[in-house]
Amino acid sequence: TQLLEQSPQFLSIQEGENLTVYCNSSSVFSSLQWYRQEPGEGPVLLVTVVTGGEVKKLKRLTFQFGDARKDSSLHITAAQPGDTGLYLCAGPHYGQNFVFGPGTRLSVLP
Amino acid sequence: DVKVTQSSRYLVKRTGEKVFLECVQDMDHENMFWYRQDPGLGLRLIYFSYDVKMKEKGDIPEGYSVSREKKERFSLILESASTNQTSMYLCASSLWAGEDTQYFGPGTRLTVL
Repeated sequence: TQLLEQSPQFLSIQEGENLTVYCNSSSVFSSLQWYRQEPGEGPVLLVTVVTGGEVKKLKRLTFQFGDARKDSSLHITAAQPGDTGLYLCAGPHYGQNFVFGPGTRLSVLP
Repeated sequence: DVKVTQSSRYLVKRTGEKVFLECVQDMDHENMFWYRQDPGLGLRLIYFSYDVKMKEKGDIPEGYSVSREKKERFSLILESASTNQTSMYLCASSLWAGEDTQYFGPGTRLTVL
């Protein structure tokens, strides 16, 4: 059983559509991070959410941290082919390191 | 910009061989990490180091060892490679522990035949 679950596992949409992906846990996290990994590259940090209920926006991407700090969502408005990639959520684990979810693989078709 | 480099992008080895994966970061970061990434499982931590010559086991250390002789360099060693170690290996570094940003290298795709 993974500490962080992500859904959906795969998502294929047309350019211009909106989408939401989810990161869930039964545990409380002090913060959660979202990374995007493009093919052939390592993950790159998009955002860190630290306060329950917090909403952060990064251009067309909106990130929300659940009130209970057990879940987070990423909403993309008007998706573009450049948004294609693997979206990973991660949270601090035992202070020194992080635990990662399995990721949502997004494909945006032109 | 932080740069994390890994010695090889692709590597093919035979069962039983000793394998060295090298990682170098150029930002004087204290912490360095080795993960493996498998489909459906996400990133799993193998080992991490928070100082020179210091190492801590992660979630899946069996079959691996590490070395950190210099602050900028963190090596992952497979003493006797096995087919179940075929995977993508990612190195990362961060300035300090806890909730800091991790910076990743491009990864090494290792195939063990």
